Amino acid sequence: DTAVSQTPKYLVTQMGNDKSIKCEQNLGHDTMYWYKQDSKKFLKIMFSYNNKELIINETVPNRFSPKSPDKAHLNLHINSLELGDSAVYFCASSEVEESGYTFGSGTRLTVV
Amino acid sequence: KQEVTQIPAALSVPEGENLVLNCSFTDSAIYNLQWFRQDPGKGLTSLLLIQSSQREQTSGRLNASLDKSSGRSTLYIAASQPGDSATYLCAVEPTSGTYKYIFGTGTRLKVLA
Repeated sequence: DTAVSQTPKYLVTQMGNDKSIKCEQNLGHDTMYWYKQDSKKFLKIMFSYNNKELIINETVPNRFSPKSPDKAHLNLHINSLELGDSAVYFCASSEVEESGYTFGSGTRLTVV
Repeated sequence: KQEVTQIPAALSVPEGENLVLNCSFTDSAIYNLQWFRQDPGKGLTSLLLIQSSQREQTSGRLNASLDKSSGRSTLYIAASQPGDSATYLCAVEPTSGTYKYIFGTGTRLKVLA
């Protein structure tokens, strides 16, 4: 009964490729997020969707495009991957802001 | 601009000790603060959530306090165990409606058996 699930868990790909990371939550939450954790373990928000609507788009290259087909899914598509995109990407969801976040287990992306 | 800092960056303690992890934030106008635990290769597990109107929250051996006026939160772990070894992160939500957390740099805890 995984609450927030991400796939794949590991992703190794070459520079220039396009890849997607999928995220699904079965908690019935209204809001979903993508965070990036860099090599120094620093977590920073990338995107936030509320009821399929984009509400946060931080300073992220436009090679990154989130897609929310429905409230339970928020996928991250990355075009023309670069070495600097290597990181762990975390998906999260929340019911309302007062309830805090539930995180997925992360996707470790390695661009070679 | 809100910044969140955690001290110490790393901590090693013998099993059984009580310990305190610190989190400070530069802007006291926060909506809530959450403590997480991160295990290697795993996601973040929520430990405690403190609303801005609250002073503390407790769960088992964990107690988190919040002092908004001084921009500080502490996570107290009683009777530490080797299974507590992990990285502990605090995060603040700046204001309602921002839909994002700003994370601290984390404290890497190792509890020695």
